[in-house]
Order: sequence, then C-alpha cells, then structure tokens
Amino acid sequence: EIQLTQSPSFLSASVGDRVTITCRASQGVGSALAWYQHKPGKAPKFLVHSASTLQFDVPSRFSGSGSGTEFTLTISSLEPEDFATYYCQRLSPYPPYTFGPGTTVDF
Amino acid sequence: QEQLVESGGGVVQPGGSLRLSCQTSGFRFDNHGVTWVRQSPAKGLEWVAFIQYDGSQFYADSVKGRFIITRDNSKNVVFLQMDDLTLEDAALYFCARDLLHLGDFSLWGQGTRVTVSS
Repeated sequence: EIQLTQSPSFLSASVGDRVTITCRASQGVGSALAWYQHKPGKAPKFLVHSASTLQFDVPSRFSGSGSGTEFTLTISSLEPEDFATYYCQRLSPYPPYTFGPGTTVDF
Repeated sequence: QEQLVESGGGVVQPGGSLRLSCQTSGFRFDNHGVTWVRQSPAKGLEWVAFIQYDGSQFYADSVKGRFIITRDNSKNVVFLQMDDLTLEDAALYFCARDLLHLGDFSLWGQGTRVTVSS
C-alpha cells in the first residue's frame, strides 16, 4: 500500500505570504494525486485533480505541481479564507483512498 | 443543485450500532461511487468505506468486518451500517461522491457526528 507523507505538518503564515506544501508518496504514482482543503466542522473542498488541474471554483492563487513521488501545493498570496488544513490523496480506480496526514496553515 | 446530506449520527455506547444515511440529489446517482470519510478530534481525514457505481464495496482495515456500506439506486441514497462501535470510531462522518471513478471526491456533505461513550 502506498503511503503519503506531508511537510510541514504545521505552517505559520500571514496574509499575503507565498505558501508551499509538499506531499511525498512511498512509490511513484505518476500524476494521480489530489489536494483537498478542510476547515473545522465544514465539508472538505476538492482543490486539485491529477496533481495540477485546478477545479473550476478554485481561485487561481492555488496551483499544484509534481509527478512520481513528490508533489507541491502552492498558494501564491495567502488570503484570510485560506487558513485551513490541506490534505493530499492518491487517485486510483480502486481503494484504499488514503489521505496524507495533513498540513495546517495557521497564523 | 448537486447535494449530499448525511444523517443518522448520534450517541451510542461501546459495542453499539448506528446506521448512517447519505441522501443525494441533483446528479445521476448510479453513475458515481460514494465514500464515507471520518475525522476524529485532533486527527486528519480517514477514509472508511467506498461503494462503486456498480455496487462493489471496499473498506478500511480499521472497520472491516464491523461496517457495511450499501446503496439504494432507486432512492439515491447510500448507507453505512456500523456495528460493534468502539471509542476510536467517534468522529464526524462525511459522505462524498467521486467524479471520474478515481477516488476523486469532488462533492461532499456537511457531515454527521458519531459519539461513542459509556
């Protein structure tokens, strides 16, 4: 089973900062990786498909990149509504649909 | 509009059972797989179970043998039967729908809370 790790686990940032989150897979997954944003008590939000395809309702300050075993999610200029926890997840026709451990972006 | 609404959460004693429901609307239900994902306090997102559009069922090791996921295509609803609940099962349970049959969960409900307490 492919394991996902994320770094950092916690990131202290301010509005306007450029933020980069890294996700590493224990084996190569090509571009089969997604990113989600989650705020406490809210529904998770699907941000990025196939490592770099932004979903239609996601602001352009978000971007995803990478392939194989190393992926990044970048927020070019942090907005107040971006303070949340971000998770990567391997995409596959079959489970398990394991999430990474998460990166919390906070003040 | 496309929507998923969870229900059925509540307070249960260890060893007890609950049945969660995920009512969907606004999209072609039988074209999509549906999953349950949970988040417990101070923990991240944990994948629990998945039912494909064709009814195939998959489970996380932590719930295998205790949870059963089913779907009723005539009513556009997915169920999660949870038996032999433990303290570790206490969480906010979300259901979500896939987009392209790749575990790409593009639409989520707001969650239903399960509390396990004696």
